[in-house]
Amino acid sequence: DAGVTQSPTHLIKTRGQHVTLRCSPISGHKSVSWYQQVLGQGPQFIFQYYEKEERGRGNFPDRFSARQFPNYSSELNVNALLLGDSALYLCASRFLPGTGGETQYFGPGTRLLVL
Amino acid sequence: AQKITQTQPGMFVQEKEAVTLDCTYDTSDPSYGLFWYKQPSSGEMIFLIYQGSYDQQNATEGRYSLNFQKARKSANLVISASQLGDSAMYFCAMRENTGRRALTFGSGTRLQVQP
Repeated sequence: DAGVTQSPTHLIKTRGQHVTLRCSPISGHKSVSWYQQVLGQGPQFIFQYYEKEERGRGNFPDRFSARQFPNYSSELNVNALLLGDSALYLCASRFLPGTGGETQYFGPGTRLLVL
Repeated sequence: AQKITQTQPGMFVQEKEAVTLDCTYDTSDPSYGLFWYKQPSSGEMIFLIYQGSYDQQNATEGRYSLNFQKARKSANLVISASQLGDSAMYFCAMRENTGRRALTFGSGTRLQVQP
């Protein structure tokens, strides 16, 4: 079975632009989470979605938004890009949100560079 | 607020030897999960092992074992018989089983296996 897939793999944008990142979860997984990983740090939680509803949000500005579609895929949108938004954006999926020891499985990430 | 601390920015180990990567955590939630992920230079976070806060026995997965000491709030990863392919960043993460149920990551440890 295919793992979590993300597109694009790499992206270069300039300050002020908008970007959309995409994620397809593992087949059968209904929950998707997004994380931002700045170089040299651990990932930081941005959003969790389950059944098309936002179930959690990290400490990120309103420039960050996301949505989940009926097929459980998800998009992360970032408006008015800043240099500090340059990072690896990771998507993770799991079958259900927050049940016991359920593991989140990560995709390969999208590397965003803002110039 | 929950916090993960990894105090070893980098570690070296000889091939075929065992190595311990340290992780301490802080949380006020009585129910939580602890995870270790491996991140090679490609960027993908690879799940290694999980330990639940109520699990009586330490978790093991092949060459990976988790030394869970609840009273000391530590969850160290032990890799036995190190291989060259084990060279990567290793992240300890915690998920509280209430609220957002998001993963909180440490800053990571870079492991280099020497031949």
